[in-house]
Amino acid sequence: GQQLNQSPQSMFIQEGEDVSMNCTSSSIFNTWLWYKQDPGEGPVLLIALYKAGELTSNGRLTAQFGITRKDSFLNISASIPSDVGIYFCAGSADAGGTSYGKLTFGQGTILTVHP
Amino acid sequence: EPEVTQTPSHQVTQMGQEVILRCVPISNHLYFYWYRQILGQKVEFLVSFYNNEISEKSEIFDDQFSVERPDGSNFTLKIRSTKLEDSAMYFCASIGQAGNQPQHFGDGTRLSIL
Repeated sequence: GQQLNQSPQSMFIQEGEDVSMNCTSSSIFNTWLWYKQDPGEGPVLLIALYKAGELTSNGRLTAQFGITRKDSFLNISASIPSDVGIYFCAGSADAGGTSYGKLTFGQGTILTVHP
Repeated sequence: EPEVTQTPSHQVTQMGQEVILRCVPISNHLYFYWYRQILGQKVEFLVSFYNNEISEKSEIFDDQFSVERPDGSNFTLKIRSTKLEDSAMYFCASIGQAGNQPQHFGDGTRLSIL
């Protein structure tokens, strides 16, 4: 089946630092999504990417859809304590028909921000 | 902003018992999904549902699992005879229509099998 490799597994940073995490796949995805999950809650959408090469920002967050369709990265600039959580990439092959929208998730990046 | 709601937030069940997890997707959404997340692991796809039938299911979604949309608003996941390894967070998600739409997730049901 499709697999997403997300790195790093965890990050410990100081408040104010920038953060970068990425996901790679051996197969092509037509949609890349980045979610954040807080303890006991569901994934909350941060950024959605639908076009190869697309670079999209949401406040201090920036994400890019790799030109090969096999990777994506998420950057967080000037981190703050509330950025703490688990960040997941997710991809969809979106081939239409039965596989429409099914998401494959990465293993997650645990982010800790020290004040 | 409309959201996906799930009930109950926590379900504790004896092994072998049946359990039904409930979801109310965002109104006018058409595609519905269940995912599972075992503690400390990634989110895994279980099943997708469209036009009142299963579109796709994963290997996890065996004969013990079933889904139903009994009315115009609810979407349920049933586990017929629960096993210890079914203990996990179960998330419901929905999408409005074909095209560039991200999946919106509920806050999940924590299922604990004793």
